[in-house]
Amino acid sequence: GENVEQHPSTLSVQEGDSAVIKCTYSDSASNYFPWYKQELGKRPQLIIDIRSNVGEKKDQRIAVTLNKTAKHFSLHITETQPEDSAVYFCAASISSGNQFYFGTGTSLTVIP
Amino acid sequence: DAGITQSPRHKVTETGTPVTLRCHQTENHRYMYWYRQDPGHGLRLIHYSYGVKDTDKGEVSDGYSVSRSKTEDFLLTLESATSSQTSVYFCASRGGMKNTEAFFGQGTRLTVV
Repeated sequence: GENVEQHPSTLSVQEGDSAVIKCTYSDSASNYFPWYKQELGKRPQLIIDIRSNVGEKKDQRIAVTLNKTAKHFSLHITETQPEDSAVYFCAASISSGNQFYFGTGTSLTVIP
Repeated sequence: DAGITQSPRHKVTETGTPVTLRCHQTENHRYMYWYRQDPGHGLRLIHYSYGVKDTDKGEVSDGYSVSRSKTEDFLLTLESATSSQTSVYFCASRGGMKNTEAFFGQGTRLTVV
C-alpha cells in the first residue's frame, strides 16, 4: 500500500513568517493529494488539495506544490497568523480508488 | 460540514468487553472509513467500505470488525476491547471518483480500562 511520510512533526514560527510542511509518498499511482487542518479537539477539515495534473495551487495565504517525479508535495503558509496554529495532515490517494493514506501530522504553532 | 455524525462521542469501557461505534452520514457517499488517531501516528486506517456490504481492511485492522448494511451507516466493533485500543476514532466519508474530498465526523474518544 501507499506510505506517506511527513516532516517536520512540530514547527514553531513567528507571526508573519512563512511555514512549510513537506510530504513524500511511495505509490506512483497516487494522483490526489489533500491537506487537512485539525484544530485542538476538532475534526480534520480540508484546506487545500491538488491533483497530479497540476504542479501548484494557491488559495490566498495557502499554497501546495507537487513534484510527481520526486514523489513529494508541500504545503506553504505565508504571513502566518495565530489562528493557523493547528495540526496539519497531508494525504495521498488514487482518486478512483478507495483508500486515503495520511501522514503522521505536523503540529504548527504560530507565536504572536 | 457534510452531514456525518459519530456516536457515542465519549466512552469508557472495561477490558474484554465488546464495543460498537456508529458513523452516520446523510450525503449518500459511497465510501466510508474508520481511522484511529494516536500521538505520533497521525490517522491510521482501520477499515473502509466502498459500498453496502463491501468492506476491506486497512493498515491496523487487527481486533476490529466493521459492517455496512445501509449506505448511511458504518459500524466499527471492537470484539474484545484492550487497553491498546484506547484512542480517538474518526469516521470519514466521500462520494468517490470526482468527489474526492473526505469529510470527517466529530470523533469518538474511547478509553479502555
